Amino acid sequence: GAVVSQHPSRVICKSGTSVKIECRSLDFQATTMFWYRQFPKQSLMLMATSNEGSKATYEQGVEKDKFLINHASLTLSTLTVTSAHPEDSSFYICSDTLAGSWGYTFGSGTRLTVV
Amino acid sequence: QKEVEQNSGPLSVPEGAIASLNCTYSDRGSQSFFWYRQYSGKSPELIMFIYSNGDKEDGRFTAQLNKASQYVSLLIRDSQPSDSATYLCAVKPPGGGNKLTFGTGTQLKVEL
Repeated sequence: GAVVSQHPSRVICKSGTSVKIECRSLDFQATTMFWYRQFPKQSLMLMATSNEGSKATYEQGVEKDKFLINHASLTLSTLTVTSAHPEDSSFYICSDTLAGSWGYTFGSGTRLTVV
Repeated sequence: QKEVEQNSGPLSVPEGAIASLNCTYSDRGSQSFFWYRQYSGKSPELIMFIYSNGDKEDGRFTAQLNKASQYVSLLIRDSQPSDSATYLCAVKPPGGGNKLTFGTGTQLKVEL
């Protein structure tokens, strides 16, 4: 599978500010990137699917105006948490996959803490 | 009914024993099944995938799939303390594109 670089690995921000998380596919051109959120002791919950050059597809219950996803190039997808609040504190992880392949590679994750 | 169900554990096994992790899924048409290992504070890493009924072995790991009963399991032989982690079962349902649905994970503790 591809190597996915995600950063920052950890960020602390003040309530009301915005935070951008980047995921870059290093080995392949990721046409599809998945964004997950994981709260402590819970499983990964898919937030949205992004495709290069098109609008992201959000899962039910995920606010698209709050979690802005941009996938402007084949290799880079970004998630911006806007006007962050303490309840947005979570572990955010991206994953890419080549269409039709068996491999799903995760980024290293971003631990967001909103204070 | 959850789409992918796992016992949250913790499952404790002594070092050197076989750890058996189970997962059931609700969509009978699901085609691909994945086991991920996640250490605390880290992102998941793929251990194995399986798509055919039967067993698939890779080193100390064996994945078992039974589509008729809708379960998939992971056996870890000669368990080591370094195997202590949360194991996530993931399923690619039919018609879902490349999206995966994850179970809540089973915490495994391998004790010395």
